Amino acid sequence: AQSVAQPEDQVNVAEGNPLTVKCTYSVSGNPYLFWYVQYPNRGLQFLLKYITGDNLVKGSYGFEAEFNKSQTSFHLKKPSALVSDSALYFCAVRDGGRRALTFGSGTRLQVQP
Amino acid sequence: DTAVSQTPKYLVTQMGNDKSIKCEQNLGHDTMYWYKQDSKKFLKIMFSYNNKELIINETVPNRFSPKSPDKAHLNLHINSLELGDSAVYFCASSQGQGASGYTFGSGTRLTVV
Repeated sequence: AQSVAQPEDQVNVAEGNPLTVKCTYSVSGNPYLFWYVQYPNRGLQFLLKYITGDNLVKGSYGFEAEFNKSQTSFHLKKPSALVSDSALYFCAVRDGGRRALTFGSGTRLQVQP
Repeated sequence: DTAVSQTPKYLVTQMGNDKSIKCEQNLGHDTMYWYKQDSKKFLKIMFSYNNKELIINETVPNRFSPKSPDKAHLNLHINSLELGDSAVYFCASSQGQGASGYTFGSGTRLTVV
């Protein structure tokens, strides 16, 4: 069965500094990987995805993620954090057999002014 | 606007009542999902329909019954509501194998008192 691990419950970073939110996955076959963001009392907003091709994926709001097959990782990054990036971030992997997404436990990103 | 829309956004009800949550997507997707987000923000798949056919039915109480009248609609009916059913329920949709992504509704916050 597929699984996703987000090892950090919370990441704190100062505004203007680079940020990384970690994600590792376990899936049979080729993974479809996704990052979503959830602001308080809001739905899930799509940030970016990796399906195939270039290992560095660029997404919304200046975020990017690097797919690393050997380390089974898909870490989310941004070169310069904004206070408005503070939110809950979810990594997810598609279960090819069932099409549904399996989510990690989420990482709360706190960007301090 | 193209989207996944859920109604109602908030639902407060007493234990033992029966309630329904409606979901509609106008994206032309062939697969729809219900996810539950618990108080710890963990997201878990409940049900999935592909072209009106049930393809995922996770281990949820049989008080929960999904219904898909057509591929653009997926409703969730809950009988005999319990305190533990309090959560945020998200509807989502995708097309094919999900390579183009998954679109989520804004969620329904269910509170059982």
